[in-house]
Amino acid sequence: KAGVTQTPRYLIKTRGQQVTLSCSPISGHRSVSWYQQTPGQGLQFLFEYFSETQRNKGNFPGRFSGRQFSNSRSEMNVSTLELGDSALYLCASSLSLGRGFNEQFFGPGTRLTVL
Amino acid sequence: QQQVKQSPQSLIVQKGGISIINCAYENTAFDYFPWYQQFPGKGPALLIAIRPDVSEKKEGRFTISFNKSAKQFSLHIMDSQPGDSATYFCAASAGANNLFFGTGTRLTVIP
Repeated sequence: KAGVTQTPRYLIKTRGQQVTLSCSPISGHRSVSWYQQTPGQGLQFLFEYFSETQRNKGNFPGRFSGRQFSNSRSEMNVSTLELGDSALYLCASSLSLGRGFNEQFFGPGTRLTVL
Repeated sequence: QQQVKQSPQSLIVQKGGISIINCAYENTAFDYFPWYQQFPGKGPALLIAIRPDVSEKKEGRFTISFNKSAKQFSLHIMDSQPGDSATYFCAASAGANNLFFGTGTRLTVIP
């Protein structure tokens, strides 16, 4: 079974631009979560999508948004990029069969550099 | 505010030794405590996880010890190997699919 895939793997943008990152979850997984990883702040939860609806949201500004499609694929968008948005953006998928935490499988991430 | 505190930041262990990483939390609503292993260029991979009704869980060379009253948990890697050299993250979840991660421990196992 193929793992979580993320595209692109590397991205360079300039301040003020916007960016869209894509995530394809493991087949059959309905939940997709996004995390930001930086050396200073570590791994921080951005949001989770389940059945095309945002189910949980972390403490990030509105410039960070996402969506999920009917095939469970997800995209996240960052508008008006700032230097501090440079990070590794990780996507994780899970079966999400019931209440509580379900094991999350992470993709390799997209390395975003903002110049 | 860091909801899960992790130490040490880095750790160097001789091959065959025991690696110990500690984490502490404050939120008593946390009910799931996984440990993740991350190699350079890769996403985190689940190593082992525990729920607060269990004080210890062992899987191969990896053991989680959990102290509910102290709100602390730790990862022990027995017989550490050079292939274990990676960054380890503790995490916690409060009944939802969002994880609060510790700051990570870079483990180096010297041959």
